[in-house]
Amino acid sequence: GQQLNQSPQSMFIQEGEDVSMNCTSSSIFNTWLWYKQDPGEGPVLLIALYKAGELTSNGRLTAQFGITRKDSFLNISASIPSDVGIYFCACANTGNQFYFGTGTSLTVIP
Amino acid sequence: GAVVSQHPSWVICKSGTSVKIECRSLDFQATTMFWYRQFPKQSLMLMATSNEGSKATYEQGVEKDKFLINHASLTLSTLTVTSAHPEDSSFYICSAGSRGVLSPLHFGNGTRLTVT
Repeated sequence: GQQLNQSPQSMFIQEGEDVSMNCTSSSIFNTWLWYKQDPGEGPVLLIALYKAGELTSNGRLTAQFGITRKDSFLNISASIPSDVGIYFCACANTGNQFYFGTGTSLTVIP
Repeated sequence: GAVVSQHPSWVICKSGTSVKIECRSLDFQATTMFWYRQFPKQSLMLMATSNEGSKATYEQGVEKDKFLINHASLTLSTLTVTSAHPEDSSFYICSAGSRGVLSPLHFGNGTRLTVT
């Protein structure tokens, strides 16, 4: 199957710090999504990217669809305790079949 | 926004019994639903894709006779874990999408299955 590598695997940061994580693939994709998953719950969509080079913000979150269509990054500014969770990237071409990254676990220390 | 409801949230069953998990799209017609399995601290693993009115497509290594999927309507898909064993204990999550323009997947809240 498709390989999506996310880095870093986990992060421990102080409240108020900015966070950056990225996702790379071995193949080109037309759609990139970023999800956040809290323990014991399903993933919640944060940002959807549909165009290479696209930069999209959602509150304190900013994500970009890489120009090569093989990567994407997610930034979180001024982190707060409720940002804790696991962040997944996902990408797809057609048919709504999405492939998920390996996840980045974020811990915010108050 | 789109809402996907999954039921039950958690279930404990005895080894050898079957368990049914429901996934409903509450405010849109889900022509395609996906079932994932997730082990602790790992990513989501796609088990199967179900299309309304047709047979599900299973990923390699997933036993279709063990994980029965039915997608009888545009708002409901079910996953039945048959003859459950302790190794089937996991977090199962469904997601739903619509036909046409590639739309983001919306996920249910997951079902924690524990087989004793």
